Amino acid sequence: EDQVTQSPEALRLQEGESSSLNCSYTVSGLRGLFWYRQDPGKGPEFLFTLYSAGEEKEKERLKATLTKKESFLHITAPKPEDSATYLCAVQAGSSASKIIFGSGTRLSIRP
Amino acid sequence: GAVVSQHPSRVICKSGTSVKIECRSLDFQATTMFWYRQFPKQSLMLMATSNEGSKATYEQGVEKDKFLINHASLTLSTLTVTSAHPEDSSFYICSAREKDRGLYTIYFGEGSWLTVV
Repeated sequence: EDQVTQSPEALRLQEGESSSLNCSYTVSGLRGLFWYRQDPGKGPEFLFTLYSAGEEKEKERLKATLTKKESFLHITAPKPEDSATYLCAVQAGSSASKIIFGSGTRLSIRP
Repeated sequence: GAVVSQHPSRVICKSGTSVKIECRSLDFQATTMFWYRQFPKQSLMLMATSNEGSKATYEQGVEKDKFLINHASLTLSTLTVTSAHPEDSSFYICSAREKDRGLYTIYFGEGSWLTVV
């Protein structure tokens, strides 16, 4: 069964304390893996798409990496404004029509 | 990145009435759009996949007669909640799939809060 699992469910960090969020997946025919940031009461904001193992992408304090089984979202020296829920989604299938979301990681950065 | 716009952002309607939510891709054509529902502190729940010019594909457990989806153009999909009841109150989000150089990226709208009183 296709599945996307994010961990941890919630993460509280001190400002400046770097860490990583994990997204592990078991799908057939991976077409792409997406990372989004969602603030309360808003739609998810697109961050990255990764298409193949070994690929890395960066945006400010965030860096996403992809292997054949999982993706990591590394956050370096986070600030309170990085607090949000981070969602991972996988697009799979021959027609790329299947999109599976993880349950998200709620990240909280304390000043 | 590409922009997807939802309207209205907030709507209050009376129980028994219908309400329509629009989802537009502003700077790209989207043959496929998706509709989600999200409860507080929970992840997105896919309701249906909307395909331009054809019938929507609904997820198991989603009533197609209650949640009417129309994707009449390459830039617009609408979700109509018919005969709304208080339990339909929720945060509804759409997304649109953009194809660029053979690869897909999915962009989300800002979401629409529906309150049924």
